[in-house]
Order: sequence, then structure tokens, then C-alpha cells
Amino acid sequence: DTGVSQDPRHKITKRGQNVTFRCDPISEHNRLYWYRQTLGQGPEFLTYFQNEAQLEKSRLLSDRFSAERPKGSFSTLEIQRTEQGDSAMYLCASSGTSGRSEQYFGPGTRLTVT
Amino acid sequence: GENVEQHPSTLSVQEGDSAVIKCTYSDSASNYFPWYKQELGKRPQLIIDIRSNVGEKKDQRIAVTLNKTAKHFSLHITETQPEDSAVYFCAATSPSSGYSTLTFGKGTMLLVSP
Repeated sequence: DTGVSQDPRHKITKRGQNVTFRCDPISEHNRLYWYRQTLGQGPEFLTYFQNEAQLEKSRLLSDRFSAERPKGSFSTLEIQRTEQGDSAMYLCASSGTSGRSEQYFGPGTRLTVT
Repeated sequence: GENVEQHPSTLSVQEGDSAVIKCTYSDSASNYFPWYKQELGKRPQLIIDIRSNVGEKKDQRIAVTLNKTAKHFSLHITETQPEDSAVYFCAATSPSSGYSTLTFGKGTMLLVSP
């Protein structure tokens, strides 16, 4: 499968715990995006990288959230001290920068904070 | 920042009928407008997109139209089939992010009855 992949697909954690998600983009794509989707809503932008540089962060991204893309390939999204309000689907997408802006999404990681 | 409104929130049609979903955007500088289809429990899939230099684009049974003056764009599905049932999201680029990130509408649940 040459599409965007995410791991894990599901994560259940207790409030206050830290969690980390991984995204592997389409191999030739140098842009990588993180979105969050709650039930009945469209995806909401969190942050994006071009290669290893984090170029933008949404105001939705509190200090408890951090994302990295150390080698410009896969990315990780960490949430520290999880809260029940963090329960959502975390989606990763990737795109190229050749003038085409199509973003292709991964299957998502569903986080449940109990 | 960009704001995208989508209507209707739900749409029920009979198989073979046409379906139209409409979106408006707030920033006249937005220049890229994709549509995604999301089936239950699956990733959003890009189905068609349009850029601000064209007014209409077709791909088999689906088409998208763009009215830059009115700042709205629409998805048209003809000869609907039960497998078209899904949630459809429109989106627009955010000029404030260098046209890199997407702002999504809240989605339209399309139900096609046999």
C-alpha cells in the first residue's frame, strides 16, 4: 500500500496519560498535515510540515500538543496529560509541492480518553 | 481566517436522482476547492477539486462549479447510486497559510435510497 498510513488505528487511554501517534506519508510527498475530526464535523487543521520544518500551527494546538518530523519523512504527534476533550479522530494527510495541492489522507487514529 | 459554510447538512435522494451540495467561503483570495467523500469509519477521499481559474470541472457523474464573484462552489452528482451514500466535505485553501492548509465545511450526509 503506497498511501498514507497511521499507527495505531485506535488508542484508549486514561485522562492524564501521554499518547503518541505516528504518520507515514506518501513517499514522494514533502508536505505533511495533521487534522483533528470530531463526530459530525469536518477535519480541523492542527499543524503542517514542509520536509522537517513545522511551518504553521493552529490556535487549536494547545501547549500539550507537540508534533515532529525529524527527518522529513514520518511524523509523530504527541499529546501530554490527555483530557476527555482530546477524544477525536486524528487524521494525517500529505501532499507534494509541485504546484499541485491535493492532500491525501490516512485512515486516522481514533483516540478515546476515559 | 477562512470560513466555509456547507448546506444542506443531510440530503436524501432516490437512486437515479441528482444531488447538489453547496458551499460558501469567506476569503476572496482562496484559490483551491477540493471535495472529499468519507464513508463511515474510513478516511476522507478526494473525489474532485477545482481551482479559481476555471468555472466548472466534470469527472463522469460528478461535477463541481465555482462562482468566484459570489464566493460559492457546488458539487453535483448525477444518476446517484446507493454506493454514493456517504458524508461529503467541501474545503478551501487558507491564504493566511500560503494556500497550504484546508478549511473544511461541516459536511453533508448523502443517503441514496434504492
